[in-house]
Amino acid sequence: GAVVSQHPSRVICKSGTSVKIECRSLDFQATTMFWYRQFPKQSLMLMATSNEGSKATYEQGVEKDKFLINHASLTLSTLTVTSAHPEDSSFYICSASFLNLQETQYFGPGTRLLVL
Amino acid sequence: GENVEQHPSTLSVQEGDSAVIKCTYSDSASNYFPWYKQELGKRPQLIIDIRSNVGEKKDQRIAVTLNKTAKHFSLHITETQPEDSAVYFCAAKGMDTDKLIFGTGTRLQVFP
Repeated sequence: GAVVSQHPSRVICKSGTSVKIECRSLDFQATTMFWYRQFPKQSLMLMATSNEGSKATYEQGVEKDKFLINHASLTLSTLTVTSAHPEDSSFYICSASFLNLQETQYFGPGTRLLVL
Repeated sequence: GENVEQHPSTLSVQEGDSAVIKCTYSDSASNYFPWYKQELGKRPQLIIDIRSNVGEKKDQRIAVTLNKTAKHFSLHITETQPEDSAVYFCAAKGMDTDKLIFGTGTRLQVFP
C-alpha cells in the first residue's frame, strides 16, 4: 500500500515553455501532498505543501507564480513550472501523507526536468 | 525553524561490518524522525522511523536510536551488504507542522 506515482518521469523542454507534473496517490487518499526539488548530490528541499481544496503553502524563496500547485482532489496534485529556464532543471519529487498516519510521507518516483 | 545536521557525508565499509549515521536537530519540540534510503535516480524509500516517545526501534538489520536530551538520533545498519549502498537521509518533524526537514545525506558504500 501507500503507492505514489508521478508523471512524466522525465521531460525536456525549451526555455520559456511551461511544464506540468502530476502526482497521484494510487491506493489511498492523501490529505497532504508535498513538492520537493533535489539538485544533483544534494538533499531534498521542500518547495510547498498542499492540501486538497486549499491554496498551497510555499517555502521561503519559492516563487508561487512560477511554481503553480493545484491540489484538485485527494489523489491528485499538480506542479506547473511556468516559463521554465535552464536553472529550473532539477529532479522534482512529490510525496503524500494520509489522515491516519499523517507523519509518514510516501514519495513518488520523481520527475527529471531538463530545460534547454 | 528546525535545522537538521547529518554526519558523515560519506561512509565506506566492508561487507559484513556495521555502519552508523548520526543526525542532530535543533527544535526540541520535534517528535518524529524518519530515515530514508535513496538509490541513484530513484525515489526516497522509508526504511525506519521513530517517534519521540520511544528511545530505540529495530527492524532486522536496521535500528534507530533517539536521545531527546541531546537532540540527536542515529541509524545503525549491521551486517552490511553491497545492496545497502545508497544515500541515506534523516529527517525531523516539528510538533505543530506537517513538514519534514531533511539532513544533507550520507553516501554509504559497502565494498564486497
